[in-house]
Amino acid sequence: GQQLNQSPQSMFIQEGEDVSMNCTSSSIFNTWLWYKQDPGEGPVLLIALYKAGELTSNGRLTAQFGITRKDSFLNISASIPSDVGIYFCAGQIETSGSRLTFGEGTQLTVNP
Amino acid sequence: KAGVTQTPRYLIKTRGQQVTLSCSPISGHRSVSWYQQTPGQGLQFLFEYFSETQRNKGNFPGRFSGRQFSNSRSEMNVSTLELGDSALYLCASREGPRGNTEAFFGQGTRLTVV
Repeated sequence: GQQLNQSPQSMFIQEGEDVSMNCTSSSIFNTWLWYKQDPGEGPVLLIALYKAGELTSNGRLTAQFGITRKDSFLNISASIPSDVGIYFCAGQIETSGSRLTFGEGTQLTVNP
Repeated sequence: KAGVTQTPRYLIKTRGQQVTLSCSPISGHRSVSWYQQTPGQGLQFLFEYFSETQRNKGNFPGRFSGRQFSNSRSEMNVSTLELGDSALYLCASREGPRGNTEAFFGQGTRLTVV
């Protein structure tokens, strides 16, 4: 089925560094959601985007809905140890109802 | 406001058995979707329910089924369990069936089939 290409697969950074990850698709999306998942837990919603070009922040997190509606990125500024986890993008294709298609995830490791 | 509640958190079943998982959405939310998460396949959509009706279904065999009750609580059932059904099953809650709303996940049910 439809997949989102999420990159990078993993990142190892030092505390205080900025992080950027992105998702691309060959299909047009009308919603992008970014989630963080800790081991053994469900994904926690970080940011929701609904309009092409939309740029939204949530604390140190900033995400954008690409103009082409086929991509989105998430930036984390001044990373801290508790940012460790797996970050997923999820998109909703216009023709698929409210079904979410997920990226493969970005495993983030922050070294103190 | 309570979040999405999934029960049980952990389950161990034997191949061939069946299992029922439960999800209570956020109060006021009427749309419930189910996802399967495995290391190999990632997060895969199972189905979505709204107003007690299945509105959307993913590419899973008929052994996977679900239902929704009038109070919006949902259950999913897997019959004739296979080893490959071992996964984290996640439930997502939305206000309504339209996609342009936020989807909130529960903690999941970890199913292990032995």
